[in-house]
Amino acid sequence: QKEVEQNSGPLSVPEGAIASLNCTYSDRGSQSFFWYRQYSGKSPELIMSIYSNGDKEDGRFTAQLNKASQYVSLLIRDSQPSDSATYLCAVRPFNDMRFGAGTRLTVKP
Amino acid sequence: GAGVSQSPRYKVAKRGQDVALRCDPISGHVSLFWYQQALGQGPEFLTYFQNEAQLDKSGLPSDRFFAERPEGSVSTLKIQRTQQEDSAVYLCASSPVQVREKLFFGSGTQLSVL
Repeated sequence: QKEVEQNSGPLSVPEGAIASLNCTYSDRGSQSFFWYRQYSGKSPELIMSIYSNGDKEDGRFTAQLNKASQYVSLLIRDSQPSDSATYLCAVRPFNDMRFGAGTRLTVKP
Repeated sequence: GAGVSQSPRYKVAKRGQDVALRCDPISGHVSLFWYQQALGQGPEFLTYFQNEAQLDKSGLPSDRFFAERPEGSVSTLKIQRTQQEDSAVYLCASSPVQVREKLFFGSGTQLSVL
């Protein structure tokens, strides 16, 4: 079992729709959780971080964390074509950081 | 520096050749990570340093891979006797030591082994 699991997709949504991305992790001691966006040929860039159970909203993005279920999600509201990218879930159990394989999102105009 | 700097940006090696990839982290960042990213995949953890100490090297795929950070700043990832399966983007990232801190990534080195 990989430490961080994501649906590889691809996920395709129409412009203006909600995109839902999911992630599960195996290390119950994990303390910090991140969503990174990676455009083709570029390095990952941070979108959201979350540390406590519940929801955290930032603009069109909402991260959700459920430590009991070892589950993290990212919702993107009013999806735009510029959101088309690969979204990486990352988990920081202690000092290191582990990534999922990423979910490729395409937003169609 | 202003960001994490990696060099070279691109490297083409003949199979069997040794290569060295350099990472210059953000000044003052204690933690330094190396990841390998194959095309269409997420970053795979290779190794982690805290200052000059290599705390985790469990992700290094074989003994052909070696990383060092002798003075706690610049790091070098060395791959000996390169193989075609080593072709990937090698990403370096740094962060302050606190567990809640995000990683700052360099632009990566794209290694192609022919």
